[in-house]
Amino acid sequence: DIVMTQTPLSSPVTLGQPASISCRSSQSLVHSDGNTYLSWLQQRPGQPPRLLIYKISNRFSGVPDRFSGSGAGTDFTLKISRVEAEDVGVYYCMQATQFPPAFGQGTKVEIK
Amino acid sequence: EVQLVESGGGLVQPGGSLRLSCAASGFTFSSYEMNWVRQAPGKGLEWVSYISSSGSTIYYADSVKGRFTISRDNAKNSLYLQMNSLRAEDTAVYYCARDGEWELGDAFDIWGQGTMVTVSS
Repeated sequence: DIVMTQTPLSSPVTLGQPASISCRSSQSLVHSDGNTYLSWLQQRPGQPPRLLIYKISNRFSGVPDRFSGSGAGTDFTLKISRVEAEDVGVYYCMQATQFPPAFGQGTKVEIK
Repeated sequence: EVQLVESGGGLVQPGGSLRLSCAASGFTFSSYEMNWVRQAPGKGLEWVSYISSSGSTIYYADSVKGRFTISRDNAKNSLYLQMNSLRAEDTAVYYCARDGEWELGDAFDIWGQGTMVTVSS
């Protein structure tokens, strides 16, 4: 099974400053069809997860453009260009290239 | 509005059973693959089970294989999870989650609010 590892596990940030979360997979996430099925989810306190980014870098409907995803192969990054108060929560990467789907441990983003 | 609503959670003794339901609305349920994902208190997300749009293909996490059964009724726009031989470590919020359209690359694009399952004596 593929293991997803996120760093850092906690990220205190100042409002208006950028934040970056790293996600590394134990195997390449490039599927035989050429796509990379890596997504990012946000979970605000007391809420269910919400899809932010799919296939590495594509923002889901309604997601602000301050969120961006990048990476390739086994190394991926989620960036928030300017953190706002509503961005507080836990962020998860998830791979769907190979069964079973797997999530990272989560990175808690909080305001300093 | 596209929506998933889970129900059926509660307190159950170790070794007991519970059946979770997920009611879908606002989209053509029969066209989408579906999943169950759980989250233990204060912990991260764990994928539990998958079912194809027709119900012909099913997968389980090793941690629940042989104890949980996923099913769906496309006529009723509903997804189910039958949980037997429950253990304390099954205590979690259980979410149903939709597998997105092909272009989303199997990302889970719609999530329910979750239903809490507590296994305790």
